[in-house]
Amino acid sequence: AQKVTQAQTEISVVEKEDVTLDCVYETRDTTYYLFWYKQPPSGELVFLIRRNSFDEQNEISGRYSWNFQKSTSSFNFTITASQVVDSAVYFCALSELGGYQKVTFGIGTKLQVIP
Amino acid sequence: EAQVTQNPRYLITVTGKKLTVTCSQNMNHEYMSWYRQDPGLGLRQIYYSMNVEVTDKGDVPEGYKVSRKEKRNFPLILESPSPNQTSLYFCASSPSSGGPTDTQYFGPGTRLTVL
Repeated sequence: AQKVTQAQTEISVVEKEDVTLDCVYETRDTTYYLFWYKQPPSGELVFLIRRNSFDEQNEISGRYSWNFQKSTSSFNFTITASQVVDSAVYFCALSELGGYQKVTFGIGTKLQVIP
Repeated sequence: EAQVTQNPRYLITVTGKKLTVTCSQNMNHEYMSWYRQDPGLGLRQIYYSMNVEVTDKGDVPEGYKVSRKEKRNFPLILESPSPNQTSLYFCASSPSSGGPTDTQYFGPGTRLTVL
C-alpha cells in the first residue's frame, strides 16, 4: 500500500528565511510519481512539481527547489527567501504506475510566513 | 479556458436528502477523480475513473456513488448524506489514460455541510 507522511503539520517562519517541507513516502512499486501541490488561503489546489521514480535529479524553479532521494524515500521541498505569498498548505502526493490507479496525499503542511 | 468546474460551490443540506455534485472538464482528459479534504486528514480519494464507464473505488468510497457516462462529466452522488460527509470536495482530472501519474487539474472545490 502506498503512503505519504508529512510530519510537519504547521511551520512558521519569518519572511526571507529558508524553509524545508518534508515528505516521506512508502511504496512497493518500482515506478511511481511524486507531486507537490500548493493550497493558498483562497482554497484552490495548484500543481507545483511532478517527478518520476527514475529521475533523482534535484530541481530548482526560482525560489523553489526539490530534493528527491530514493535511498531515504523522501521528496523534500525547500523555499528559499520565503515571502508572505508562500503562506499556504502544501501537499505531497504519490501515484504508482502499476496496481491500483490511486493517488495518495499526505495530510499537508501549513506554512505561515510572517512579515 | 482549460478548466475543471464544480457545482455547486457551497451546499448546506440535511441528513438523508439525496444530492449530486457535478464536475465537468473541457480538456478531454481521460482520468477523473473525486477527493474530500478534512482537517488533519489531508485529501483522500473517494472514487476515480480511468475513462468512460470505467470507475473504481478510492480510499473512502462509503456513502458515495459516481458515474462516467461522458468523458467530460464525473458527478458525485450522495444518496443519503450524513453529517460525517460534511467536507470540502475536489474534483480533478488528468490527461493520462495510464493512470493518475500525470499532473492533476483541480476544480475550485465544493464545501458541503450536512446537518
